[in-house]
Amino acid sequence: AQKVTQAQTEISVVEKEDVTLDCVYETRDTTYYLFWYKQPPSGELVFLIRRNSFDEQNEISGRYSWNFQKSTSSFNFTITASQVVDSAVYFCALSEAGTSGSRLTFGEGTQLTVNP
Amino acid sequence: DAGVIQSPRHEVTEMGQEVTLRCKPISGHDYLFWYRQTMMRGLELLIYFNNNVPIDDSGMPEDRFSAKMPNASFSTLKIQPSEPRDSAVYFCASSRGFGGAPSQPQHFGDGTRLSIL
Repeated sequence: AQKVTQAQTEISVVEKEDVTLDCVYETRDTTYYLFWYKQPPSGELVFLIRRNSFDEQNEISGRYSWNFQKSTSSFNFTITASQVVDSAVYFCALSEAGTSGSRLTFGEGTQLTVNP
Repeated sequence: DAGVIQSPRHEVTEMGQEVTLRCKPISGHDYLFWYRQTMMRGLELLIYFNNNVPIDDSGMPEDRFSAKMPNASFSTLKIQPSEPRDSAVYFCASSRGFGGAPSQPQHFGDGTRLSIL
């Protein structure tokens, strides 16, 4: 069975600080996908990134970066120079390939508050 | 392109009433998913469809819940009779598949906030 753990329930930082959100996953499949979604206070779920299990190259998109390490089953998300607009709940999710691959398993989410 | 469209955005009704939630997926997406979000259980998959056919409904909590997808551009999630514990945010998501599985990320609608009194 697949499982995603986001150990940090809440994080509070001051604007311009860097912050890393942790995500650890469990799966028995060798082919899988990892995702990050953002849920701002307005409630919608916004897709941020998808990585497949064969691509461990880290990715950077503006102030966002992701560190995927299969050796530790982690897919961490870093926001550089955080801004108040980054305040949201962030979800890490896992999808296994194959016929069951449609099932997204979400972590519990990390509530990030960026204070001015 | 329009995103996933859900209606209504908010629904407040009394226990025992029938509730119908609606979803229009992104055009061209052949997978449609219904999720429920609660404080206690987080985000959980209820059911998903591929090419309008239900594939996995193991997440549907009980027989009071039913979902249909009569065509590629419309799906409903129905609760009858509704109970206070069904209060939650219900999300619909869609994605494009390839080779028998979704190959693209799931894109979510804005959700329906359901309150059962």
